[in-house]
Amino acid sequence: GAGVSQSPRYKVTKRGQDVALRCDPISGHVSLYWYRQALGQGPEFLTYFNYEAQQDKSGLPNDRFSAERPEGSISTLTIQRTEQRDSAMYRCASSPGDRVYNEQFFGPGTRLTVL
Amino acid sequence: AQSVTQLDSQVPVFEEAPVELRCNYSSSVSVYLFWYVQYPNQGLQLLLKYLSGSTLVESINGFEAEFNKSQTSFHLRKPSVHISDTAEYFCAVSVTGGGNKLTFGTGTQLKVEL
Repeated sequence: GAGVSQSPRYKVTKRGQDVALRCDPISGHVSLYWYRQALGQGPEFLTYFNYEAQQDKSGLPNDRFSAERPEGSISTLTIQRTEQRDSAMYRCASSPGDRVYNEQFFGPGTRLTVL
Repeated sequence: AQSVTQLDSQVPVFEEAPVELRCNYSSSVSVYLFWYVQYPNQGLQLLLKYLSGSTLVESINGFEAEFNKSQTSFHLRKPSVHISDTAEYFCAVSVTGGGNKLTFGTGTQLKVEL
């Protein structure tokens, strides 16, 4: 079956521009997570949703970052006024639930480069 | 808060040799432990996990890891590696009531050579 998909796979933008990264989870998965991975580092939690409700946004680095999942399926991570330090791989994962026994399935990621 | 340390950024090993990838964690509460693998140009995949019960857990492709609470470790081992095991391996932890958000280590690149 279809896994988690993310688009675009690669995004190059200029400093100061806004970007929107999309995540399409596995159908029926309740929980959706966003992580950011800088070069040479492990993924770092940003935020997660159960259905359309944002449960935890403690990992969002500042108010330029926001995320939504309005219909409980597709999610968008938006970065406003991008800065060079925002360059990273942005990973999305979906899961049947948010219990520890629920496996997270990761998408291929979006590589963001801010010039 | 919890943290994960993977001290080895790269581990080169010859095919059919044994390998151990080290993972240590720090947490003030009980943790659940995971190993994820990332093959080139692919997303992260769950390799194995420890939630409770037997401290030795195994994957379908011959890897195993042992939860050692006294040493706060969850090292990954394989007695004989194959070229196809070349990948980056990430150790991660989750805690009860945390919504299963994962805290990852910095990863270990396993390179299997002929």
